[in-house]
Amino acid sequence: EAQVTQNPRYLITVTGKKLTVTCSQNMNHEYMSWYRQDPGLGLRQIYYSMNVEVTDKGDVPEGYKVSRKEKRNFPLILESPSPNQTSLYFCASSFSGPRNEQYFGPGTRLTVT
Amino acid sequence: SQQGEEDPQALSIQEGENATMNCSYKTSINNLQWYRQNSGRGLVHLILIRSNEREKHSGRLRVTLDTSKKSSSLLITASRAADTASYFCATDMNSNSGYALNFGKGTSLLVTP
Repeated sequence: EAQVTQNPRYLITVTGKKLTVTCSQNMNHEYMSWYRQDPGLGLRQIYYSMNVEVTDKGDVPEGYKVSRKEKRNFPLILESPSPNQTSLYFCASSFSGPRNEQYFGPGTRLTVT
Repeated sequence: SQQGEEDPQALSIQEGENATMNCSYKTSINNLQWYRQNSGRGLVHLILIRSNEREKHSGRLRVTLDTSKKSSSLLITASRAADTASYFCATDMNSNSGYALNFGKGTSLLVTP
């Protein structure tokens, strides 16, 4: 089944404790991206990747890192999480870029206390 | 920066009625996409309309695009309770360096039996 998976689905952590949210797709997509969704603000793009080893900042990259060492995986790293990073995070992928249909993961709800 | 803005923010209708939501954007685009999100879940792609298209249909969905006004509308005909969800428009930047995908803040649709 074609899908985007994210882990964990729910995470409660404390300020400053490094964490990684994994994202994997099995559709051989080139484009992958991360979004955060906050009430009243909609979805905002954090980082995106056009292909392996090619990443770029979206609208709200501060406090996040990403890597794209393999085509299927695009982990989101929070080196030192803060309470303002409490949010619902989505990973998405598409065949070749933002002009194509995006396939979204189920989301990761992160709480930083 | 968020390119698309949906209107209205919230819409409540009864089953069988039509629902219309609008999206306005600021700069030139290649494509405009509409997505649906059921509460807290990942977004699901509904329809994509290219900048050289004016209207597109998919089942009970009808999308129009007016590039001169930088706006799009999504019409859901004969709505059902299962259409209750948030709807987002997404636009990609029409530039050589723009690979980002921008989502609006969404329209929350409630369809009551």
